[in-house]
Amino acid sequence: DIQMTQSPSSLSASVGDRVTITCQASQDISNHLNWYQQKPGKAPKVLIYDASNLETGVPSRFSGSGSGTDFTFTISSLQPEDIATYYCQQWGRLPPVAFGQGTRLEIK
Amino acid sequence: EVHLVESGGGLVQPGGSLRLSCAASGFTFSSFEMNWVRQAPGKGLEWVSYIDYSGSSIFYADSVKGRFSISRDNARSSLFLQMTSLRVEDTAVYYCVRDRRDSRGCSFDYWGQGTLVSVSS
Repeated sequence: DIQMTQSPSSLSASVGDRVTITCQASQDISNHLNWYQQKPGKAPKVLIYDASNLETGVPSRFSGSGSGTDFTFTISSLQPEDIATYYCQQWGRLPPVAFGQGTRLEIK
Repeated sequence: EVHLVESGGGLVQPGGSLRLSCAASGFTFSSFEMNWVRQAPGKGLEWVSYIDYSGSSIFYADSVKGRFSISRDNARSSLFLQMTSLRVEDTAVYYCVRDRRDSRGCSFDYWGQGTLVSVSS
């Protein structure tokens, strides 16, 4: 099975900062990589699908890039409402799917 | 509007059983593949099981294989997870999740609010 390594596990940044999270797959997954945001006490929400496509309604300060094994998720200008835990997710034609370990984002 | 509402969680002793249900509305349930994803307290997300449109293709995480059984009733727009031989490590919030697979690829686009399963003596 494919393993996803996400880093960092936690991150503290100031409002307005550029924030970057990385995710590495144990084998080539093409662009089959999604990013989710989970706020405390809530279910996850998809932000980016297929590595770089912004889900409908998601602010443009969120972006994703990468292909193969190395992926990046970026918030261009951190806002207070972005405080959450972020997960990458690999998908294939058939399950299983794999999530990264998560990155907890806090305001400095 | 899409809604996924889980039920059936609760406290159970190790070795016990529970059946989770998920009532879907706001979309054509029979046209979507579905999943269960769980999250242990303070931990990350773990995919548990997948079922295709008709129930003919089913997959499980290794951690639950042989103990959990996923099923669906398209006439009632419902998804189920039968859990047996429960272990302490199965304690988690269980989410019912819609699987969007189209020209855009695949993502888990709608999630229920989750139901808590606690396994403890």
